[in-house]
Amino acid sequence: EAGVAQSPRYKIIEKRQSVAFWCNPISGHATLYWYQQILGQGPKLLIQFQNNGVVDDSQLPKDRFSAERLKGVDSTLKIQPAKLEDSAVYLCASSLEPHGRNDGYTFGSGTRLTVV
Amino acid sequence: GQQLNQSPQSMFIQEGEDVSMNCTSSSIFNTWLWYKQDPGEGPVLLIALYKAGELTSNGRLTAQFGITRKDSFLNISASIPSDVGIYFCAGYNFNKFYFGSGTKLNVKP
Repeated sequence: EAGVAQSPRYKIIEKRQSVAFWCNPISGHATLYWYQQILGQGPKLLIQFQNNGVVDDSQLPKDRFSAERLKGVDSTLKIQPAKLEDSAVYLCASSLEPHGRNDGYTFGSGTRLTVV
Repeated sequence: GQQLNQSPQSMFIQEGEDVSMNCTSSSIFNTWLWYKQDPGEGPVLLIALYKAGELTSNGRLTAQFGITRKDSFLNISASIPSDVGIYFCAGYNFNKFYFGSGTKLNVKP
């Protein structure tokens, strides 16, 4: 089966600019996650979707980050305006079951964002 | 949030050696996962553990779900150069997975 697709792979922007990342999960996976991975750290959950509804966005900095999954399939994560501390790899993951407890998550290759 | 502590943070070993790493927390978890992340890639699931005391193998990898449910262990036997990468544990409770900060493994041929 095709994996989780993400684009772009790399992005360099200046602070205060905006940026968007795209994710297409594995076909049939109802649950989609966006994670932020800062260099040297483990992934941190930003937002979790179940179909096109938000399940958990408690750690999403909502003043600058937004995400949507309009048709319950692919998703977009946006940052506006970006700050230097947003430099990280943004990982998208999906799971067949809600919360992924029984099958874990399948991750995409990520988008590496550098804010200068 | 839930804190998972992985140790060691990094390790340098010789090819052929066995490797042990662990993940501990002050919180109880219902599921433990172990992932490996290669440079420039997303984490890939290695092993999943669902019951306290469970011991599960995947080739040269063996992982255990600690009986206190607050820790998990990963062993790699007879390491090879392609084992190089960062190994993450993830614990599940309150409907989400929490990730440790990783153990970076370097293998010298």
